[in-house]
Amino acid sequence: ELKVEQNPLFLSMQEGKNYTIYCNYSTTSDRLYWYRQDPGKSLESLFVLLSNGAVKQEGRLMASLDTKARLSTLHITAAVHDLSATYFCAVDEGGYQKVTFGTGTKLQVIP
Amino acid sequence: DTGVSQNPRHKITKRGQNVTFRCDPISEHNRLYWYRQTLGQGPEFLTYFQNEAQLEKSRLLSDRFSAERPKGSFSTLEIQRTEQGDSAMYLCASSFPSYNEQFFGPGTRLTVL
Repeated sequence: ELKVEQNPLFLSMQEGKNYTIYCNYSTTSDRLYWYRQDPGKSLESLFVLLSNGAVKQEGRLMASLDTKARLSTLHITAAVHDLSATYFCAVDEGGYQKVTFGTGTKLQVIP
Repeated sequence: DTGVSQNPRHKITKRGQNVTFRCDPISEHNRLYWYRQTLGQGPEFLTYFQNEAQLEKSRLLSDRFSAERPKGSFSTLEIQRTEQGDSAMYLCASSFPSYNEQFFGPGTRLTVL
């Protein structure tokens, strides 16, 4: 059974600081997704990573994938309050995109 | 098309009652997924359709749960004899084979009293 672990589970950081969220998974996969969820809301797709070494950036967020290490990172640069949310990674188990989600990282950016 | 829609958005029911939720995917998407999310957890896969065929069901989907997608467009998820443990957010997502991401609807929040 595929297991997806994120750390940290909770992250409180000051505006302007940098930090990285880690996503480890237990089986071979070359497809990984990052989502954002605001309280009481649905999931918003942030990044789709489809191969080893893939790196994508959008604004203050950058995601990368190392399939050999079974590790993805979500790096936050110069955090702002609007980034406060819960971030999930999700690993694709098979060709029809059945995904297993991590437990999420709740990010709080303090002004 | 503005995205995946789900109805109702909120449902409060008494234990033992049956409930049905509806999901309308993005029109050109032939894949449809149902997930359940409890507070503080990530979404858990329940079932998946490609067109009208239900291709996989999670072991989380007990015999009280049934999902259909009769014409390969909208889908329904029914829970019979609801239990308090069924209280959760039920999320629907859709995708197209050549797209490598799922688009989620707003969810239906179920509360079983």
